[in-house]
Amino acid sequence: GENVEQHPSTLSVQEGDSAVIKCTYSDSASNYFPWYKQELGKRPQLIIDIRSNVGEKKDQRIAVTLNKTAKHFSLHITETQPEDSAVYFCAILGGGKLIFGQGTELSVKP
Amino acid sequence: EAQVTQNPRYLITVTGKKLTVTCSQNMNHEYMSWYRQDPGLGLRQIYYSMNVEVTDKGDVPEGYKVSRKEKRNFPLILESPSPNQTSLYFCASSRWTGGYEQYFGPGTRFTVT
Repeated sequence: GENVEQHPSTLSVQEGDSAVIKCTYSDSASNYFPWYKQELGKRPQLIIDIRSNVGEKKDQRIAVTLNKTAKHFSLHITETQPEDSAVYFCAILGGGKLIFGQGTELSVKP
Repeated sequence: EAQVTQNPRYLITVTGKKLTVTCSQNMNHEYMSWYRQDPGLGLRQIYYSMNVEVTDKGDVPEGYKVSRKEKRNFPLILESPSPNQTSLYFCASSRWTGGYEQYFGPGTRFTVT
């Protein structure tokens, strides 16, 4: 079945540095790739998403890149700030099902 | 205010006692789904529904049932809860299909002893 592998599981960066989280997937029919942020004790919230007809999308300090041939997509956060500390999840849409990665705990140290 | 609500928010029960967790959304969304969140495993979809009377299994449907009799409601039913169903549960909704922003409810922390 469909599978999503997310790496790394934890990531620690200094404030102002960049952070990159990568997800690989197995279902070549997937056409929707969202990223969610979950702060401690809160619900997940969408931060950015990309569709298969686009290779890159940016929203201020956040960007997502998609390589459909290699079946991976990545989240890039530039100029990290302490409030970026959270767990980040990637996901793919496969035949109506949403399949999430295992999550990356990002810690931004002041 | 656009929102997804879940009840109860916290629940402790014993093995085998049937229970229902309610989920309701006021955004007229077609797509609704349930997830469980466990440490190291991320969010795993239990069931999803693309519209009234249409439900499908997600990745971990065993031990759960759902129904979609009305567009706004999508209850999760545990017929005979077991300790391995102890988890944090989220309901979510989105317009049309799963290929749009999922609006998550506040979560239900469920413990089976």
